[in-house]
Amino acid sequence: NAGVTQTPKFQVLKTGQSMTLQCAQDMNHEYMSWYRQDPGMGLRLIHYSVGAGITDQGEVPNGYNVSRSTTEDFPLRLLSAAPSQTSVYFCASTRDSSTEAFFGQGTRLTVV
Amino acid sequence: AQKITQTQPGMFVQEKEAVTLDCTYDTSDPSYGLFWYKQPSSGEMIFLIYQGSYDQQNATEGRYSLNFQKARKSANLVISASQLGDSAMYFCAMRERADMRFGAGTRLTVKP
Repeated sequence: NAGVTQTPKFQVLKTGQSMTLQCAQDMNHEYMSWYRQDPGMGLRLIHYSVGAGITDQGEVPNGYNVSRSTTEDFPLRLLSAAPSQTSVYFCASTRDSSTEAFFGQGTRLTVV
Repeated sequence: AQKITQTQPGMFVQEKEAVTLDCTYDTSDPSYGLFWYKQPSSGEMIFLIYQGSYDQQNATEGRYSLNFQKARKSANLVISASQLGDSAMYFCAMRERADMRFGAGTRLTVKP
């Protein structure tokens, strides 16, 4: 059982480049979320989804886009990377609002 | 907007002793869930314990218990019989609907 899979694990981008962080879950969870974690800080919610075709903004959505065409996948797109987006990105999925979130292993992104 | 506060940036505890990590929250929604996660130095997010707002009893999971004081809006994590492997970052989180928000975390160090 793979759980939540994030790819890539590490990525270096140049300022202005775009890229997509992939997230897939095999638990048939309806809820999926993206977080960023800056050094010494907690996780901040970027975007989340309550099901295929439904997404919403979190605390820090600027500079990021998401879509949810299937239950399994929830990619995060960086439109034009900036050094301020250097962070560790976590994807999470949840069965419903009263159960725990399962996290991927994280993607360490550096923007130079 | 929901808000989660962890006022202890760092805590020290002697091995085999108990420790309490503080968490307060703010919400106007009567239905919510409270979660604690552990993040060791390896970076993964590990779910520890969950408390629903309508749960009458405090949640317990092995050496972890959650001291839930609804009127005070606090959800403190108690770790009994601390072990060296408990050294990690600990995050309190709250979910009102689909979006889970995190506190800034507490770094716990267990001394031998």
